[in-house]
This record gives sequence, structure tokens and C-alpha cells, in this order.
Amino acid sequence: DQQVKQNSPSLSVQEGRISILNCDYTNSMFDYFLWYKKYPAEGPTFLISISSIKDKNEDGRFTVFLNKSAKHLSLHIVPSQPGDSAVYFCAASEWGTNAGKSTFGDGTTLTVKP
Amino acid sequence: SQTIHQWPATLVQPVGSPLSLECTVEGTSNPNLYWYRQAAGRGLQLLFYSVGIGQISSEVPQNLSASRPQDRQFILSSKKLLLSDSGFYLCAWTAKGGTEAFFGQGTRLTVV
Repeated sequence: DQQVKQNSPSLSVQEGRISILNCDYTNSMFDYFLWYKKYPAEGPTFLISISSIKDKNEDGRFTVFLNKSAKHLSLHIVPSQPGDSAVYFCAASEWGTNAGKSTFGDGTTLTVKP
Repeated sequence: SQTIHQWPATLVQPVGSPLSLECTVEGTSNPNLYWYRQAAGRGLQLLFYSVGIGQISSEVPQNLSASRPQDRQFILSSKKLLLSDSGFYLCAWTAKGGTEAFFGQGTRLTVV
């Protein structure tokens, strides 16, 4: 049973438009969520996180929204840039559990077209 | 600043051969260390983690083992590789109580 699901394997958007990447989870004990970005043949890099005490966290062009009742989070990228083209992983953990033991989704490949 | 080194970047090994992947971290002390595998089109699967020298926890039973001979060195090994061991292997570290993981560049292992 996959506890973190990214149901869209891929997403294509035009440069300058908004990219919305979605993530659903089933484990109600999860209360800390992270997004990682991964380029081909490289390791993932941390992008943004959110804890369950918040419903929104912003960092520049990136905003993560958390809907605890729906067990759903989303990553918004505005405006999207070609350099944002990568695989985005959603990850979740229980607070106090080391971040390295997060449960990862399968990723969504974002392509931003010039 | 902290850096993590993982090598080699790519590796092609015959079935039945041994494996040794090495990972070292610089610029931090007493990190938690992790080995992950990413199958094609899938997320990261945690294989092993270590909270200190000689302390290894295995998350998934498999043909692999891990060791931590020094504080900032983490090694992934196998005595005899299987075809199913092919994949993209990632080493990562976190600080104690850290809220994000820092990953190495990864090793693409192909068992033929």
C-alpha cells in the first residue's frame, strides 16, 4: 500500500504559466511534508517543506499548500521557467522522525516549454 | 559548508560479482546516513540507515548490506549481484533531528 501518491506521472506547462503538482497521502500520522526536485542523473535537492500546523508555505516562486482534512498537498510554481523542468518528489514523515526516513511518492516529471 | 560525495557515477557489473559503493560526507559531524534505491519511474526506497559508527538498520530485506566504518563514511555492498539489483542508488545525510535530507549525485548500477 503506497502511503504517498503522486497520481500524475507527468505535467507539461508553458513558460510563464502556473505549474501545479499534486500529492496525496493516506497515513494520518504524517505531519511534515517536503518537496524535492531531481534532475536526470543527479540526486534530489530539497525545495520546500510544510508542517501540519500550517496550510501554506511560500519561498519565492514556490508555494506549498496543505489540506489536512483531504490528506492532500500541492506545489505551485509561478511563473514556471524552463529550468524548472525536472522530476518533483513529494515526501512525508511523522514529526520527530528523521527526515531521511520520509516516505516518498513516485514523482511527477514537469516539463516547462519555452 | 557540507558536501556529500558518492562514487562511482555509473557502474556495469556482471551477475554474481561483488559490489562496493562508497559515500562520504564533509563539513559535518555525527550525521545520520542513508542508502536509497530508485527504480525506473518510481520513488526512493530506503534501504539502510545509520545513526552512528557501526550502527546499521535495514529497511528492506535484500541481497545488499551496508557498513559505516567511520563517522562520515557509508558503504553499500553485495557479495553476489543479481539482475534485480540494477537501479539508481543514492546516498544521503541528515543532521540529527534534521528536517531535510541532502543527497549525493547517485550511482547508476547496471547488472548484466
